[in-house]
Amino acid sequence: QVQLQESGPGLVKPSQTLSLTCTVSGGSISSGGYYWTWIRQHPGKGLEWIGYIYDSGNTYSNPSLKSRVTISVDTPKNQFSLKLTSVTAADTAVYYCARVGIVAVVDARYDFFDYWGQGTLVTVSS
Amino acid sequence: DIQMTQSPSSLSASVGDRVTITCRASQSINNYLNWYQQKPGKAPKLLIYAASASSLQSEVPSRFSGSGSGTDFTLTISGLQPEDFATYYCQQSYSSPWTFGQGTKVEIK
Repeated sequence: QVQLQESGPGLVKPSQTLSLTCTVSGGSISSGGYYWTWIRQHPGKGLEWIGYIYDSGNTYSNPSLKSRVTISVDTPKNQFSLKLTSVTAADTAVYYCARVGIVAVVDARYDFFDYWGQGTLVTVSS
Repeated sequence: DIQMTQSPSSLSASVGDRVTITCRASQSINNYLNWYQQKPGKAPKLLIYAASASSLQSEVPSRFSGSGSGTDFTLTISGLQPEDFATYYCQQSYSSPWTFGQGTKVEIK
């Protein structure tokens, strides 16, 4: 059973960089062709997809955040990470890491978030 | 970006009721539509992928079903149970950036 766990500071000052790590257990992060992703949820609000990493280094980020987001992977540690620069109060949210599960059929590939971390609240405040 | 709109935003229902939640995409997404259930303080849980396929990992009860294609989709709960009171989200994986609906909160009547 795959498990994910987020870790990192719960409080970040405005204009600084938010850094989170997701540790994956129960499976290798480099096998299976899975994507690994970050999602956030503003307090009391809906879900926002941040971006993903795959193939040990290829990334894609939501254009709304793209210039501030870096996603990286540490394969020996079975971890992947998120860095979000120049944070403001609007970046206060619960941040989730998740695996992108895949079902491939003849002419289609379906992606979905099948395993999630428990989430970690990051507050941006001075 | 593809906009996902759910209706209603909230509903009140009783145990045993049949509940239907609708999700509409701003453009055709074929059947690249997923549904999640989220309980307070917990991460979302995958219920349905590809519009109508039940998640195997999550052991989704058979009372949950999904349907639809193109722009209009539904999640149906046939016989609401106490543990089903939660917020439900749809999400499209047709094109990046992947986007979610705003959520539908199912409350106890």
